[in-house]
Amino acid sequence: QITLKESGPTLVKPTETLTLTCTFSGFSFNTRGVGVGWIRQSPGKALEWLGFIYWDDNKRYSPSLKTRLAISKGTSKNQVVLTMTNMEPVDTGTYYCVHRAWQPIIPEWFDPWGQGTLVTVSS
Amino acid sequence: SHELTQPPSVSVSPGQTARITCSADTLPKKYSYWYQQKPGQAPVLVMYKDSERPSGIPERFSGSSSGATVTLTISGVQAEDEADYYCQSADRGDTLVFGGGTKLTVL
Repeated sequence: QITLKESGPTLVKPTETLTLTCTFSGFSFNTRGVGVGWIRQSPGKALEWLGFIYWDDNKRYSPSLKTRLAISKGTSKNQVVLTMTNMEPVDTGTYYCVHRAWQPIIPEWFDPWGQGTLVTVSS
Repeated sequence: SHELTQPPSVSVSPGQTARITCSADTLPKKYSYWYQQKPGQAPVLVMYKDSERPSGIPERFSGSSSGATVTLTISGVQAEDEADYYCQSADRGDTLVFGGGTKLTVL
């Protein structure tokens, strides 16, 4: 059974850097094709894909946020870290860690999702 | 704005059929996926590759594709199906994108 869980601060100030950790179980980066991603959801409910990190350490980011994002493998083999710089109030929302589902050539999808963590950006 | 267009809301009575649509120019060439999100919960995958149902998803959920529109159909809607539903695919640049979501209300 695959599970993922997000952890990190619930409140960050404008201009600060957000760092979230995803701790997962039920799969491993030792398996070809494995990926872990991040998605966020604004209070108004829109979902937005942020990026993926893959088993071979390649990364893929949303073009609109690419300059502010970094996804890396954590110090523990079952962790992934999301870093987002220069946080603004519009970045407030729930951040989800997701397991990459995939087949060759077609768009990736997300299954399952972590429970999500709410991040508020406010001074 | 969203690359994928969904109706904001759909309402049906219990036992009826709900159809939720998702449209975009890229859909005829790219597969789409559907997620169900109940209040206070994370989204759950209910359909992949347009019409494939993951294990554990009830048979009353089905998916179809026609031209630039994909449709999630819930036959014999139950009260527990009341949720927000999101479609997902990729744009021309392969960026993964979501629709704006559809709130399904069971009357």
